[in-house]
Amino acid sequence: DVKVTQSSRYLVKRTGEKVFLECVQDMDHENMFWYRQDPGLGLRLIYFSYDVKMKEKGDIPEGYSVSREKKERFSLILESASTNQTSMYLCASSLVPPGRNQPQHFGDGTRLSIL
Amino acid sequence: GDSVTQMEGPVTLSEEAFLTINCTYTATGYPSLFWYVQYPGEGLQLLLKATKADDKGSNKGFEATYRKETTSFHLEKGSVQVSDSAVYFCALILSGGYQKVTFGTGTKLQVIP
Repeated sequence: DVKVTQSSRYLVKRTGEKVFLECVQDMDHENMFWYRQDPGLGLRLIYFSYDVKMKEKGDIPEGYSVSREKKERFSLILESASTNQTSMYLCASSLVPPGRNQPQHFGDGTRLSIL
Repeated sequence: GDSVTQMEGPVTLSEEAFLTINCTYTATGYPSLFWYVQYPGEGLQLLLKATKADDKGSNKGFEATYRKETTSFHLEKGSVQVSDSAVYFCALILSGGYQKVTFGTGTKLQVIP
């Protein structure tokens, strides 16, 4: 089974701090993704990466950056945390699809609170 | 743009009741369709999928049929259990250079004994 591991289940940080969320997958997947999940809004894509050192903006990249130095690891960075970034953050990975039916595999999420 | 619309929850059912969660989509291309489930405190897990019109995805007693004519992918289960209590997300993936997934907002299901 694919394993996507997020480094923290719960995290509390202060406004203005630089915050790192780490994600590791063990199945040699090409694609990795960061989402945030908020009540009533579902999942919104922040950034994704389809190869090492490659990154693309998703739907809500403002206030975030990412790093993909190794294939198995994808980091989300909050450059200067703000209270409106309090949320559940989900990491996902998937194979490069030869067809169109490759699902994404998710980690258990990091619930981040910014005080 | 592409979108997925799910019925608003929460949905509360008694154990052994019949479940339907509606999902409709709009897409510029020809998508693959998925249902994901999120149990309390966990990430999303793939529940079932369908990749072309009239395909039926099924898993753990859940079923959904890809209806191109009505652009729908409704989730059904004949007899729900307390352990099915979770949030259910409908999603679509378009073919293309990268795998952008469009999720619905999720429907919370609560099953009471």
